[in-house]
Amino acid sequence: EDQVTQSPEALRLQEGESSSLNCSYTVSGLRGLFWYRQDPGKGPEFLFTLYSAGEEKEKERLKATLTKKESFLHITAPKPEDSATYLCAVQFGNEKLTFGTGTRLTIIP
Amino acid sequence: SAVISQKPSRDICQRGTSLTIQCQVDSQVTMMFWYRQQPGQSLTLIATANQGSEATYESGFVIDKFPISRPNLTFSTLTVSNMSPEDSSIYLCSVDPREPGPQYFGPGTRLLVL
Repeated sequence: EDQVTQSPEALRLQEGESSSLNCSYTVSGLRGLFWYRQDPGKGPEFLFTLYSAGEEKEKERLKATLTKKESFLHITAPKPEDSATYLCAVQFGNEKLTFGTGTRLTIIP
Repeated sequence: SAVISQKPSRDICQRGTSLTIQCQVDSQVTMMFWYRQQPGQSLTLIATANQGSEATYESGFVIDKFPISRPNLTFSTLTVSNMSPEDSSIYLCSVDPREPGPQYFGPGTRLLVL
């Protein structure tokens, strides 16, 4: 069965302290990998799409990378407003998305 | 992208009753999806709704409990029937306006069943 695993479950960083979130997957026909940000009480907000190994996408302090078995979401010099849950979702052979359990990120001022 | 609205944004319901959640999109889309997010959990797909055909349900979800309508290309409803406290969750609809491409999510409906 295709699975998506995110680590760590929770991460607390000081403001300005860079780090990375991981999303690993077992795959049979990967079509795309998606990163979302979810704030409490809100729906997921789309961040990035990655389609092939070696691909990278950047937006402000976030950069997403993809290998054949995992993706990383790098956050550089984070600010308190970057605090949220970050979700990874993988699209396999059909249109459905399989979500990971998320990483709850807290940035301490 | 797509702009999605849901109604109601939240509700408190009594055990045994039913609630219908509406999802409206600002553009025509072929596929709409309904998810459940239980407290502290990630998203679980309930069903996929195509206009003009019956919804396709995921394992563990049945039409009698979660009937779905898809009358046109911009609107869908999900009904949570005969509710129990275990149905307390956030219910989210999403669309993928461009395939391949990401899904875009509505703001969610927060449901509490007493």
